[in-house]
Order: sequence, then C-alpha cells, then structure tokens
Amino acid sequence: GAGVSQSPSNKVTEKGKDVELRCDPISGHTALYWYRQSLGQGLEFLIYFQGNSAPDKSGLPSDRFSAERTGGSVSTLTIQRTQQEDSAVYLCASSLGRQTETQYFGPGTRLLVL
Amino acid sequence: QKEVEQNSGPLSVPEGAIASLNCTYSDRGSQSFFWYRQYSGKSPELIMSIYSNGDKEDGRFTAQLNKASQYVSLLIRDSQPSDSATYLCAVNTSGSRLTFGEGTQLTVNP
Repeated sequence: GAGVSQSPSNKVTEKGKDVELRCDPISGHTALYWYRQSLGQGLEFLIYFQGNSAPDKSGLPSDRFSAERTGGSVSTLTIQRTQQEDSAVYLCASSLGRQTETQYFGPGTRLLVL
Repeated sequence: QKEVEQNSGPLSVPEGAIASLNCTYSDRGSQSFFWYRQYSGKSPELIMSIYSNGDKEDGRFTAQLNKASQYVSLLIRDSQPSDSATYLCAVNTSGSRLTFGEGTQLTVNP
C-alpha cells in the first residue's frame, strides 16, 4: 500500500516568513510523529499525535513551531517567523500506535531558510 | 550522557567482511529497539527491530540486545557495497517516541 507522503519535498523561504509542511500518514496508522534532521545529525523528535489524545509537544524547540492533525489523519507542521537555524529536513513518520510498533518514515521536506 | 549513543564512525570494511555497529542507551525502562538505514539524501528505512534479550537474525543482518548492559548491536555479514549508508540506532525511551543516536556511517569497499 501507499507509504507516508510529505509535501512539499523542498521549500526555500526567506527569514521571517511562515511555512507549512504537510504529512499524510499510512492509512490506518493512528500515531503520527514529526522529527527534524539537521545536516549530518541524528533525528530530533518534535511532536507526536496518537488518536484523539492530546499531542506530546515536548520536542518542539520554540513557540514558533506548532502542529495540528485534522480528522486523525493529515498533519501540518507550521513554523512561524522562520530563522536560518530552522533549515533542516523535516521527517514525518507513522505507526499503528502501539508502543512497540515500528515507525515508517516519509521522504521528508527539505527546508532552506535564506 | 546522551540517551542513545552509537560507536563513532565512519566505519570502513572490505566487501564480504562483517560490519559491527554498536549502540548503548541510558533508559533502563526502554522496551523496543530499532536499527534504521539511511542512504544519503533519503529518509530512514527500518532494517531490524528487537524487543527481547538475545539475537535476532534476518538474512545477513543480526541484531543483538542485552538489556542488563543497555547495549544493542547490529551485525552485517558478507557486507556489500550497497550496504554503505548511515545506520541509526533508535530506542523507545518515553511512551511511543523514539530517541535516535547520531548514526554510524558505514562504507563497504569493493
């Protein structure tokens, strides 16, 4: 079946602009995660959605970052007033939702803030 | 101390050799452990998952878990040039979130 999809695949923006990144999880997956990967670095957890529960926002680096998940499916990560240090690959993953379940990653959105 | 640490790379092995990748974690309550492979410019893809102490084999890959030592490893037998990638160790440390190591870059030389 279809995997996790993300859009756009690449985004170039100017410092101070807002950006929205989209994630479509695998059908039937109740859990959705956002991670960030800076050049040559490991993955940094940002936020986690599980069903209708309140999201775990503990990884969001600042209040400029927010995310929502509509209808338990599609998620949007919004970065307001972008800064150059926000430049990274933003990865979305989904899983069936049980704690031991494998997370499957989308192709990522490469964000460059000029 | 980092929550998940991997042996520093890069690691270079000749084709046909065994590549050994190591990972330690700090949270004794961790229950699930994953190895992901990430090719340059691509997203991570799952190689192995392991939940119980001991070895788990899948083709040329063997994951080893020792919860007492808080240690998980990945062995790649008969390494191929196509195995050249960055290998990420991931541990379920809190709820369902994964904490990743910084990765070990593996190069298999023909």
